[in-house]
Amino acid sequence: QKEVEQDPGPLSVPEGAIVSLNCTYSNSAFQYFMWYRQYSRKGPELLMYTYSSGNKEDGRFTAQVDKSSKYISLFIRDSQPSDSATYLCAMSAFSWGKLQFGAGTQVVVTP
Amino acid sequence: DTGVSQDPRHKITKRGQNVTFRCDPISEHNRLYWYRQTLGQGPEFLTYFQNEAQLEKSRLLSDRFSAERPKGSFSTLEIQRTEQGDSAMYLCASSLVTASSYNEQFFGPGTRLTVL
Repeated sequence: QKEVEQDPGPLSVPEGAIVSLNCTYSNSAFQYFMWYRQYSRKGPELLMYTYSSGNKEDGRFTAQVDKSSKYISLFIRDSQPSDSATYLCAMSAFSWGKLQFGAGTQVVVTP
Repeated sequence: DTGVSQDPRHKITKRGQNVTFRCDPISEHNRLYWYRQTLGQGPEFLTYFQNEAQLEKSRLLSDRFSAERPKGSFSTLEIQRTEQGDSAMYLCASSLVTASSYNEQFFGPGTRLTVL
């Protein structure tokens, strides 16, 4: 079983809808939780990171971490066609540590 | 452009050949990471350097793989005797490790390797 599980999708939503993404993990040593966005044939780019449990909001994006359930989420409000990409969750035990990624969820926002 | 750069962007080779990839990190970033990403999967950690010292290697990094970071600047990843299973996107990332709460890893565009 993988340390980080993520539904690969694809997840198709109409423009303006809320996109809900999530990951589960098994390693309780993880302290840093990140969401990356990856466009086709490009490298991942960091959207948000959260330390330990809690919520974090940045514009249309909200990240949630529940360490007791080993479950993290990313919500994208008012989704746009430009949000169409693969979203990867990633985790690490240390702020400088190697990242453990989920498989990525492909999101398609249709106009 | 001051981001992470990788060269080449694409490499097609025949099974059994050796290939070498280069990564130029963001200037003054002291940590450099290599990851491998296969189709439909997230990146998997291969190895990382703190300046010129290679501090950790994944067991994914078989004896056919070697990485270097001479003088703590650019890094190379060499694969000897390539196999079809080596076909993947090879991603490089760099970060500046400081006392701040989080040290973001910035990724390059990747080198896509196809082994025929």
